Amino acid sequence: AQSVTQLGSHVSVSEGALVLLRCNYSSSVPPYLFWYVQYPNQGLQLLLKYTSAATLVKGINGFEAEFKKSETSFHLTKPSAHMSDAAEYFCAVSANTGNQFYFGTGTSLTVIP
Amino acid sequence: NAGVMQNPRHLVRRRGQEARLRCSPMKGHSHVYWYRQLPEEGLKFMVYLQKENIIDESGMPKERFSAEFPKEGPSILRIQQVVRGDSAAYFCASSPTSGGARNEQFFGPGTRLTVL
Repeated sequence: AQSVTQLGSHVSVSEGALVLLRCNYSSSVPPYLFWYVQYPNQGLQLLLKYTSAATLVKGINGFEAEFKKSETSFHLTKPSAHMSDAAEYFCAVSANTGNQFYFGTGTSLTVIP
Repeated sequence: NAGVMQNPRHLVRRRGQEARLRCSPMKGHSHVYWYRQLPEEGLKFMVYLQKENIIDESGMPKERFSAEFPKEGPSILRIQQVVRGDSAAYFCASSPTSGGARNEQFFGPGTRLTVL
């Protein structure tokens, strides 16, 4: 079975500060991992994905995430927050045993000017 | 290349009415997924369909909910006799034919259902 835990339902950072959004997964098979962003009243947009190639994955808008098998983590980072990064972020896992995605409960990012 | 289309974007129904939500996948995609997002929660998988087949409906409530993806036309999520607890955002996603679980899913803008 697969599941995702996102620690911290709300994160606030100052503009220009480091963004760190946490995601830990549970999977009985090698996982595929995804980060999506959701702006208010919109659908989800893919930021980046891990599919068993490089463990450090670079995505859009300056975001990146590192797959750490020993820690079962896939934390999302961005060196310098921008006001436009304020949104809801979801981590998701899928596996070869099925095509559905399992989503975390999301982290709402606030960027303080 | 148009993305995943969903309509209507907003739907208001009274208790006991039927709700029909439509989803047109991206061009070239034959896999469709429906998810439900309740307030302050993440997305929960409902059903996975390919053309004319339901592949996995393990997340669908046993009663009142049904889904189809006909040979021609959009995928439909149907909720009969809606109740207030059905109020949520319903998202459709699609993915390409090959690649399996490693494929990203492309999401539509969602339909926000409000049951009065």
